[in-house]
Amino acid sequence: DADVTQTPRNRITKTGKRIMLECSQTKGHDRMYWYRQDPGLGLRLIYYSFDVKDINKGEISDGYSVSRQAQAKFSLSLESAIPNQTALYFCATTSGGSIFDEQFFGPGTRLTVL
Amino acid sequence: QKEVEQDPGPLSVPEGAIVSLNCTYSNSAFQYFMWYRQYSRKGPELLMYTYSSGNKEDGRFTAQVDKSSKYISLFIRDSQPSDSATYLCAMSAGYSSASKIIFGSGTRLSIRP
Repeated sequence: DADVTQTPRNRITKTGKRIMLECSQTKGHDRMYWYRQDPGLGLRLIYYSFDVKDINKGEISDGYSVSRQAQAKFSLSLESAIPNQTALYFCATTSGGSIFDEQFFGPGTRLTVL
Repeated sequence: QKEVEQDPGPLSVPEGAIVSLNCTYSNSAFQYFMWYRQYSRKGPELLMYTYSSGNKEDGRFTAQVDKSSKYISLFIRDSQPSDSATYLCAMSAGYSSASKIIFGSGTRLSIRP
């Protein structure tokens, strides 16, 4: 089984709808991240969490919210989806305190907002 | 101007060739440099990391940093079809996992058998 799973893998929705993307990890790591990937822009950090009680905004958090339900679960919500939120979304987790500690990424969720 | 520039490719080379992948950056505070590999329909995976200037070798892969030119490279020797993927450079000014990491947009590499 995969160490980091994301659901759904693909989602098409309409402008204004509320969407939740879910991430689960079995690696036992405390640190979890949400990124989005857009062609020509690379990966950009949306939110990160260092433990269940610690949530931090990344560089592009506007329009998004997160919930850390447990050590293993970190959800990303789009309260009112808009077309420019169409992107590939990745969840990641790491155990360590340095940027060289590998982040283990999930397979991604491809979101399309019409 | 983007903080990190990376040629998107695609780059297509024959099997066995030496591949050079590059990134340039504008922020002189960057000290920590990473290369990620991303296969199609998968998340990125950390391939190599280096600190400050110099070279680091790991098997067929060599990462090179030239801070004076704000230029980093990843060399792949004896390239294999299994190396076909998108390669992302990434860099940060801080060592902590709370530090901001800037990713390049990725170079798509294809190795022809």
